Amino acid sequence: QKEVEQDPGPLSVPEGAIVSLNCTYSNSAFQYFMWYRQYSRKGPELLMYTYSSGNKEDGRFTAQVDKSSKYISLFIRDSQPSDSATYLCAMSLILTGGGNKLTFGTGTQLKVEL
Amino acid sequence: EPEVTQTPSHQVTQMGQEVILRCVPISNHLYFYWYRQILGQKVEFLVSFYNNEISEKSEIFDDQFSVERPDGSNFTLKIRSTKLEDSAMYFCASKTGARGNQPQHFGDGTRLSIL
Repeated sequence: QKEVEQDPGPLSVPEGAIVSLNCTYSNSAFQYFMWYRQYSRKGPELLMYTYSSGNKEDGRFTAQVDKSSKYISLFIRDSQPSDSATYLCAMSLILTGGGNKLTFGTGTQLKVEL
Repeated sequence: EPEVTQTPSHQVTQMGQEVILRCVPISNHLYFYWYRQILGQKVEFLVSFYNNEISEKSEIFDDQFSVERPDGSNFTLKIRSTKLEDSAMYFCASKTGARGNQPQHFGDGTRLSIL
């Protein structure tokens, strides 16, 4: 079983739709959960991070974590064509040295159409 | 907003040659990372670096790889003798303090092509 599973898509939605992106994970030691957005030929750009079960909202984005089910989600409201990108979930352990190595999902490719 | 910068954006190298990828992390950050992304695959952790030493490395990061912070601003990844399978995007990341919820910030990567 992979540590982090994410549906690669592609996912195509009309402008204005609510988008739901999901990841499941198997390692209960993960403590922090992130969503990154990656445009073509660019690096991952942090969108959301959280460390507790529940919801966290930032503008049109809501991150949801359910540690008991090992399931995280990102919701995008009022989706725009500029949201078209690949969305990566990432999770971290805390290393003994104090840093945190990220484990990524494969990414979901999203296209928002006019 | 401060950002992580990586150079070059694209590096083409003959198999067996040495290559050095360069990164300038965000200036007050203390933790530095390299990740790679083979085309069509997920982003994979290579190594983390703190206080001038490696704090963790993955099984990908074998003896052909090394990292260095030669001065107060640069962070480099060296591949000593490149192989075809080293072709990938290489991302540098950095973060500030030790608290786990400090996010890692990524550069735009160096695309490494091995011929």
